Amino acid sequence: DSGVTQTPKHLITATGQRVTLRCSPRSGDLSVYWYQQSLDQGLQFLIQYYNGEERAKGNILERFSAQQFPDLHSELNLSSLELGDSALYFCASSYGRNREKLFFGSGTQLSVL
Amino acid sequence: GENVEQHPSTLSVQEGDSAVIKCTYSDSASNYFPWYKQELGKGPQLIIDIRSNVGEKKDQRIAVTLNKTAKHFSLHITETQPEDSAVYFCAANGEHTGNQFYFGTGTSLTVIP
Repeated sequence: DSGVTQTPKHLITATGQRVTLRCSPRSGDLSVYWYQQSLDQGLQFLIQYYNGEERAKGNILERFSAQQFPDLHSELNLSSLELGDSALYFCASSYGRNREKLFFGSGTQLSVL
Repeated sequence: GENVEQHPSTLSVQEGDSAVIKCTYSDSASNYFPWYKQELGKGPQLIIDIRSNVGEKKDQRIAVTLNKTAKHFSLHITETQPEDSAVYFCAANGEHTGNQFYFGTGTSLTVIP
């Protein structure tokens, strides 16, 4: 068990809808990272937050947004969903802000029908 | 940004044999190279990492080597066991792109009993 908790484990929704994925980092970790994993794209970095502030941005679509709350949990919001958004979404956490060991949650499997 | 290539994409070995997975990276400023193991239905788990000031690191049956000049690093698993079967990802940090991690596309390792 990595100590990173993601909910829900599975999410099935329709195109055009909006969903929220939730992540609780390991106790004491200040950084939260979001990754998208699909069969053809591998693990793609989306965004990182450090202690409530956006730290780095990767290949995140404008339809997607994230935030980290004062209690350090994070949410990833996906809107106007398309079939191609179907993927496994991972949250990871680390203590520091740079180049630290990442601890991954078990992921949320999103299926857009 | 950083580009990480990983080979092979699939690897089958007999139990007890060794397995080698190779990765190359493009950003000469990258200085941290972790390896992750992902079992079915789980998130990636850090198994070993190496920093650029070290050429080799071992942890029991697992070792990683780094050649900074050639910009490649490898994972070596000796005396493989069925429980080593998983997908393995290499990664490198992107010094010039906000310290994101860039992952390879993964190697599916099967250890045949």
